[in-house]
Amino acid sequence: AQSVTQLGSHVSVSEGALVLLRCNYSSSVPPYLFWYVQYPNQGLQLLLKYTTGATLVKGINGFEAEFKKSETSFHLTKPSAHMSDAAEYFCAVRNSGGGADGLTFGKGTHLIIQP
Amino acid sequence: EPEVTQTPSHQVTQMGQEVILRCVPISNHLYFYWYRQILGQKVEFLVSFYNNEISEKSEIFDDQFSVERPDGSNFTLKIRSTKLEDSAMYFCASNPQFYNEQFFGPGTRLTVL
Repeated sequence: AQSVTQLGSHVSVSEGALVLLRCNYSSSVPPYLFWYVQYPNQGLQLLLKYTTGATLVKGINGFEAEFKKSETSFHLTKPSAHMSDAAEYFCAVRNSGGGADGLTFGKGTHLIIQP
Repeated sequence: EPEVTQTPSHQVTQMGQEVILRCVPISNHLYFYWYRQILGQKVEFLVSFYNNEISEKSEIFDDQFSVERPDGSNFTLKIRSTKLEDSAMYFCASNPQFYNEQFFGPGTRLTVL
């Protein structure tokens, strides 16, 4: 079964500081990994994804993530935080690798940006 | 830009009543999904749907739940007899082909009293 662990339910950083949100996964199939962002009272928006190929993937809003198979990790980073980055962030892994794949999500990390 | 839409945005119902949550996926998408998010908890997969049949479902998706694509544009989730624990935000999602990103709708907040 697939699982995703996000370390830290809340992460607080200062504006302009590095953002690091941690994600570790367990998958019985080659992992396809995703980071989604959820702003208050809104749906989920894809930040970036890893399927195959380059292990460092770049997404929207200056975010990037690196797939490390040996560490079963897919941590999300951004060099310089903006106030607008304050949101809930979810890491997810595909379920089965076949058909219409559902996603298994982590519990989410609430990112707080301090002025 | 095309987007997934969901109606209603908020549904309040009495325990034991049937509810139907509606979604309009992006028009050229082929795969459809329902997820739920209980307040303060993670997003949980319920079911995926392709070619007019269920492709995958989770343990949560028991006999009380059903999905349908009645008219080629709508995608519905029916809960036959709601329970208090069904109170959650329900998200619909769709994608055009294998392994591409799933596009999520804004959600329907279901409150069961």
